[in-house]
Amino acid sequence: GNSVTQMEGPVTLSEEAFLTINCTYTATGYPSLFWYVQYPGEGLQLLLKATKADDKGSNKGFEATYRKETTSFHLEKGSVQVSDSAVYFCALTANQAGTALIFGKGTTLSVSS
Amino acid sequence: NAGVTQTPKFQVLKTGQSMTLQCAQDMNHNSMYWYRQDPGMGLRLIYYSASEGTTDKGEVPNGYNVSRLNKREFSLRLESAAPSQTSVYFCASTLGGGRREKLFFGSGTQLSVL
Repeated sequence: GNSVTQMEGPVTLSEEAFLTINCTYTATGYPSLFWYVQYPGEGLQLLLKATKADDKGSNKGFEATYRKETTSFHLEKGSVQVSDSAVYFCALTANQAGTALIFGKGTTLSVSS
Repeated sequence: NAGVTQTPKFQVLKTGQSMTLQCAQDMNHNSMYWYRQDPGMGLRLIYYSASEGTTDKGEVPNGYNVSRLNKREFSLRLESAAPSQTSVYFCASTLGGGRREKLFFGSGTQLSVL
């Protein structure tokens, strides 16, 4: 079946450090890929997405590239801020309309000043 | 815009009690979902409704029932709560019909079953 595997956290960084959170997936066909972010006490919100191979999603300084050959969608940011502290979820939808998102287990990022 | 509204925000139940979690969206979305979030487990899909009048089981449906009351509302019912159902529950919605769409989430219901 379809699944998403994320690197385990927590990830602890100093402000302005480089961030990578690894995500790999298993899916039949051509899924769409997403990164969601959850700030403390809130629901999830979409951070970025990519819908086909080699697409790059970007938002708020975060980027992720859909790599079909390695089945990966790693999240990166060149210089993190304290306000980026949150839980990050990689997710996919299969190629049938109306199917639900499948989430990874989430990676907690903590950024200190 | 309210978006996705969940009630209640917090609930404590005793084992065997029943309750219904309410969810409503005002975005005219077709598809609605219930997830539970547990430490180290991420989000797991309980049930979803791809469109009004349809519901389908997700990954962890046991112990739950759902009702798509109308296009706006999608409720989750625990008939006989168990401690294993202690979790944070999220309702979500999307316009539906396409796999590229983003989900809009409610702010969650924190449920404790003693």
